Amino acid sequence: GAGVSQSPSNKVTEKGKDVELRCDPISGHTALYWYRQSLGQGLEFLIYFQGNSAPDKSGLPSDRFSAERTGGSVSTLTIQRTQQEDSAVYLCASSPSGQETQYFGPGTRLLVL
Amino acid sequence: EDQVTQSPEALRLQEGESSSLNCSYTVSGLRGLFWYRQDPGKGPEFLFTLYSAGEEKEKERLKATLTKKESFLHITAPKPEDSATYLCAVRLLYGGSQGNLIFGKGTKLSVKP
Repeated sequence: GAGVSQSPSNKVTEKGKDVELRCDPISGHTALYWYRQSLGQGLEFLIYFQGNSAPDKSGLPSDRFSAERTGGSVSTLTIQRTQQEDSAVYLCASSPSGQETQYFGPGTRLLVL
Repeated sequence: EDQVTQSPEALRLQEGESSSLNCSYTVSGLRGLFWYRQDPGKGPEFLFTLYSAGEEKEKERLKATLTKKESFLHITAPKPEDSATYLCAVRLLYGGSQGNLIFGKGTKLSVKP
């Protein structure tokens, strides 16, 4: 079956511009996660959605970062006024209800010039 | 502070040369430990989940084991196609965000023919 998909695959933007990254989770998966992977660093948790509950935003690094999940499915991560340090791979993962395993998408590679 | 440390950072093996990767963790309570494989330019691919000390899981040439303080990923008679970065992650039993995984920085494995 189809896995987690993310778009765009690559994004180049100028410092100060806003960007939107999209994640389509595996159909039927209730939990959705966003992570960031910077060069030489481990994956860093950003935000977690579980069903209709309020999202866990404890990993968002600043108020320039926000995310929403519409209809319990697709999610969009928005970064406002991008900075060069935002350059990274942004990974989305999903998991089915009651299961621990997270299944990752291919990521969006963001480069801020 | 909850943390995950992987060693070595990089490992170069000859085809057929068995070895082990280490993941040590310091957490307030472990809900589960996860191993992922990540190929260049791709998202992490799930390998194993371990929940309790003494548990072992196997898949082809890979075997994962868990103690109260660390996990090992044993690679038996590796092949060049096993070359990848192997990531270890933990999910907390309580405290912090219980939805996300805490990742180590990974071990980059290269297997030469």
